[in-house]
Amino acid sequence: DTGVSQDPRHKITKRGQNVTFRCDPISEHNRLYWYRQTLGQGPEFLTYFQNEAQLEKSRLLSDRFSAERPKGSFSTLEIQRTEQGDSAMYLCASSFVQGSPSRGYTFGSGTRLTVV
Amino acid sequence: TQLLEQSPQFLSIQEGENLTVYCNSSSVFSSLQWYRQEPGEGPVLLVTVVTGGEVKKLKRLTFQFGDARKDSSLHITAAQPGDTGLYLCAGISGNTGKLIFGQGTTLQVKP
Repeated sequence: DTGVSQDPRHKITKRGQNVTFRCDPISEHNRLYWYRQTLGQGPEFLTYFQNEAQLEKSRLLSDRFSAERPKGSFSTLEIQRTEQGDSAMYLCASSFVQGSPSRGYTFGSGTRLTVV
Repeated sequence: TQLLEQSPQFLSIQEGENLTVYCNSSSVFSSLQWYRQEPGEGPVLLVTVVTGGEVKKLKRLTFQFGDARKDSSLHITAAQPGDTGLYLCAGISGNTGKLIFGQGTTLQVKP
């Protein structure tokens, strides 16, 4: 297993365009999280899935953002009508939970989005 | 709302010096993690502390969880240039397992 993979690593897009990011978690992990990080700051929680169910969404996730995890495997995060304020690093993390919350998180390398 | 405050935000020191980074909250966390992040990469987990008063060591790094499980510290002994990076503390929130991160401490160790 190569860990959590994110694609693309970098994305430059024009304001108003739609973008989609993909995350492939560690195969045996049942939880998948999306975070957003701006330069020099800590990551902020966006949303998470347990298997294919999206269980929580942050208020940061406006209606322009949508995330899916079909079949409980990879996940996609789509941003519609991008704005300059969406420029950030989008991080995906996965963990295995059985009963108590897992403490073993693995993060991907992130997708750096620049909206021009 | 659970918040974590990290201090200092920036630290620039010479190789061989010691340093401590603090992570404080008004909320109790069931457990707290420390991560190190390099530019353009995702955070890498260093340690998880669970029990109030717990101390864990990882080579030259010493992590402590406060007795009340509201605060934590990271102490680095004899810092090396390879320790340069962004250090993040994160509390695990409830049963969701989501992480509440501090703002991070950017550490620069000069040779």
